[in-house]
Amino acid sequence: NAGVTQTPKFRILKIGQSMTLQCAQDMNHNYMYWYRQDPGMGLKLIYYSVGAGITDKGEVPNGYNVSRSTTEDFPLRLELAAPSQTSVYFCASSLGQAAGELFFGEGSRLTVL
Amino acid sequence: EDQVTQSPEALRLQEGESSSLNCSYTVSGLRGLFWYRQDPGKGPEFLFTLYSAGEEKEKERLKATLTKKESFLHITAPKPEDSATYLCAGTMIKAAGNKLTFGGGTRVLVKP
Repeated sequence: NAGVTQTPKFRILKIGQSMTLQCAQDMNHNYMYWYRQDPGMGLKLIYYSVGAGITDKGEVPNGYNVSRSTTEDFPLRLELAAPSQTSVYFCASSLGQAAGELFFGEGSRLTVL
Repeated sequence: EDQVTQSPEALRLQEGESSSLNCSYTVSGLRGLFWYRQDPGKGPEFLFTLYSAGEEKEKERLKATLTKKESFLHITAPKPEDSATYLCAGTMIKAAGNKLTFGGGTRVLVKP
């Protein structure tokens, strides 16, 4: 099992560009999440999904969009990139509401210049 | 607002020097308290879940405990391979989607 796979691992964007961070899991987990992690700060939840076709906002959703058309995939779209979106992005999945264990991908490091 | 605070921010230990990390929380109606380990350039890796005050969990040199206001991660006789950032997180009873509120982490460096 690959677990949670994120691509790309690194990306540099210019201000105003758009891109999509890809996330795929092969554990048949219903719940998926996108977090961002800034230096010295905890992980902040951007968006989450409790199943295919269902998404909801987390703490810091502005400037991002998500979709969940399949159980396996949960892409994160950045529209009109800004320097404030420079961060490390983590995708995670879990089995369900009662399951506390989140499985994380290895992260995508994004720099906006 | 739900908040999770970890201290200290960084900890330097000699190999074999036991210590404790603190995680205090104001998460109302706590459903669970979670500890994760994060190595540089990697995603967090799950360690423990604690659900009620008085509960303890152990794994090798690590032991996590929970009170009504805080959790501790005790590292007994640490080795250099225990060097990592340790994150704690809490989730509310009423949190939809199993959302976790994370603390800022404690960076632990164990020197041989």
